[in-house]
Amino acid sequence: SQQGEEDPQALSIQEGENATMNCSYKTSINNLQWYRQNSGRGLVHLILIRSNEREKHSGRLRVTLDTSKKSSSLLITASRAADTASYFCATDQTDSWGKLQFGAGTQVVVTP
Amino acid sequence: SAVISQKPSRDICQRGTSLTIQCQVDSQVTMMFWYRQQPGQSLTLIATANQGSEATYESGFVIDKFPISRPNLTFSTLTVSNMSPEDSSIYLCSGGLAGSTGELFFGEGSRLTVL
Repeated sequence: SQQGEEDPQALSIQEGENATMNCSYKTSINNLQWYRQNSGRGLVHLILIRSNEREKHSGRLRVTLDTSKKSSSLLITASRAADTASYFCATDQTDSWGKLQFGAGTQVVVTP
Repeated sequence: SAVISQKPSRDICQRGTSLTIQCQVDSQVTMMFWYRQQPGQSLTLIATANQGSEATYESGFVIDKFPISRPNLTFSTLTVSNMSPEDSSIYLCSGGLAGSTGELFFGEGSRLTVL
């Protein structure tokens, strides 16, 4: 069953704008991960944040984690057309290494 | 990172037939998993492919329908048996690296359409 719920389901922005998407989950986790999926392709790992971390950066990506609220957000700054993709959060629950529970995903369209 | 190759990349199958998907990973990968992504949906874990032993299936998935083999560390197959149109999905092989914090690497997926 899916652990994560994401919002919004879809997001349309222009190049240069920031994109923010949110993920909520239900049970205790070891870490929370974000993946990108371009249309018709496999998933690419973007960033992982551990349960004892609150914020993490990687290039134009910023992830936050609030374990008290069981929620996370992914911010993509200065978006580009190449960022057009579906973004999924995935949780790695305690005692189940690698068996990820994926959220429903946010479809992001960045127009030039 | 790890390289994960799947084949076929896509196929069109007839109802009642079976299809085997192959997955080859590079030697860094220790854990292997099979996921299903139904049209427009998120990913659902089918099973963990265990080297040299029976796969560990998640709730809702059974060995008779999705037999999985992993004869060695770097190769696994997933068979979708007695297919029906409801089996039309993308099937993704994934792997994790020993000593990592749990991030997975994915193949490009095998898109099956069952008529």
